[in-house]
Amino acid sequence: GAGVSQSPSNKVTEKGKDVELRCDPISGHTALYWYRQSLGQGLEFLIYFQGNSAPDKSGLPSDRFSAERTGGSVSTLTIQRTQQEDSAVYLCASTGGLADTQYFGPGTRLTVL
Amino acid sequence: KQEVTQIPAALSVPEGENLVLNCSFTDSAIYNLQWFRQDPGKGLTSLLLIQSSQREQTSGRLNASLDKSSGRSTLYIAASQPGDSATYLCAVTQGGSEKLVFGKGTKLTVNP
Repeated sequence: GAGVSQSPSNKVTEKGKDVELRCDPISGHTALYWYRQSLGQGLEFLIYFQGNSAPDKSGLPSDRFSAERTGGSVSTLTIQRTQQEDSAVYLCASTGGLADTQYFGPGTRLTVL
Repeated sequence: KQEVTQIPAALSVPEGENLVLNCSFTDSAIYNLQWFRQDPGKGLTSLLLIQSSQREQTSGRLNASLDKSSGRSTLYIAASQPGDSATYLCAVTQGGSEKLVFGKGTKLTVNP
C-alpha cells in the first residue's frame, strides 16, 4: 500500500510569512509524528498525535509552531511568522501501534530567506 | 534527558568488508530501538526494530543487537556493497513516551 506522503516537497518562503506543511499518514495508522531535521541539530521531535487523545506538543520550539490532525488522518503543521532558523527538513511519520515501527515520509524542505 | 550517541560519525570501507556501527544511549528505560537508513535528500527507511525485551534482530545482511543494561546497540553489516552507502541513524523510544530520540548518524561510504 501507499506509504506516508508529504507536500510540498520543497517550500521557499520569505521571513515573516506563514507556511503550512501537509502529511498524509499510512491508512489505518493511529499515531502521527512530526520531526525536524536541521544541519548540526540532527532529528528533533516536534509533536505527536495518537487517536483522539490530546497531542504531545512538548517538542514544539515556540508558539509560532502549531499542528492539527483532522479526522484522525491528515495532519497540517503550521509555522507562523517564519524565521531563518526555521529552515530545515520537516519529516512526518506514522505507526499503527504502541512501540511499533515508525514509517517516515520523504519530508518537506523548508527554506526561509 | 535521553541522549543518543553514534560512533563513528563517518566511515569509509572497501566493498565486501564486514562492518559495525555503534549506538549508545544514556537512559536504559526504553521501549525499543530502531535503526534507520537515510539516503541524501530522502526520508528515513526503517531497517530493524528491537523491542526492549529482545537481544537482537536480523534482516538479510543486517544484524542489530541491543544491550539495554549497558545502553548500547550495534548494527552489523555483512559483505558491504556500494548500495549500502547512506547515513545510518539509531533512535530509541523512551518508556512512557512515543517519540523517537535520534543520534546524529553515521555516514557510511562503501567504495567499489
